[in-house]
Amino acid sequence: DSGVTQTPKHLITATGQRVTLRCSPRSGDLSVYWYQQSLDQGLQFLIQYYNGEERAKGNILERFSAQQFPDLHSELNLSSLELGDSALYFCASSVGNNYGYTFGSGTRLTVV
Amino acid sequence: AQSVTQLDSQVPVFEEAPVELRCNYSSSVSVYLFWYVQYPNQGLQLLLKYLSGSTLVKGINGFEAEFNKSQTSFHLRKPSVHISDTAEYFCAVSTSGSRLTFGEGTQLTVNP
Repeated sequence: DSGVTQTPKHLITATGQRVTLRCSPRSGDLSVYWYQQSLDQGLQFLIQYYNGEERAKGNILERFSAQQFPDLHSELNLSSLELGDSALYFCASSVGNNYGYTFGSGTRLTVV
Repeated sequence: AQSVTQLDSQVPVFEEAPVELRCNYSSSVSVYLFWYVQYPNQGLQLLLKYLSGSTLVKGINGFEAEFNKSQTSFHLRKPSVHISDTAEYFCAVSTSGSRLTFGEGTQLTVNP
């Protein structure tokens, strides 16, 4: 157990739907990062939050949004889902950038 | 901005043979370097990291890596691999104040 908790582990949904992925960071970590991993695009950085504020944005689609709550847990919202959104979505947390990230076990999203 | 290149997308080896997974980075400032391992259907797990000090870093599962500033490399090595080392390996780099940038990954396959 890495200390980073992601729920749900698996999600199957239909095209056009909206889903919410949840992440609880490791105790004491203020930063949360979201990554998408697919076979054709590899590990893609989506977005970072630090203590409730958006810190950096990567290749995140406009249909996707995220937030970090006062208790530091984070949610990634994916809407108007397309088949191509099927992927593994990872959350990671860190104290700071210099010490590496701790990853959760991921949410496998399948859009049918 | 920093970048990471993993020179081999796939590395097949036989059990008990030595292995080296190659990683080069690009950055104009001092860097912190990491290797992560991802087993099938799991999240990324930190293998080892270089923050400062000795350029030879030892990690978990018998892996080690050497930071070579003049060659801008951080190659991962193991003197004798096991079937259980079959996984994808990611090299990552960060600088002070920046997030981790990951390489494309190297699939290590250990054959009996």
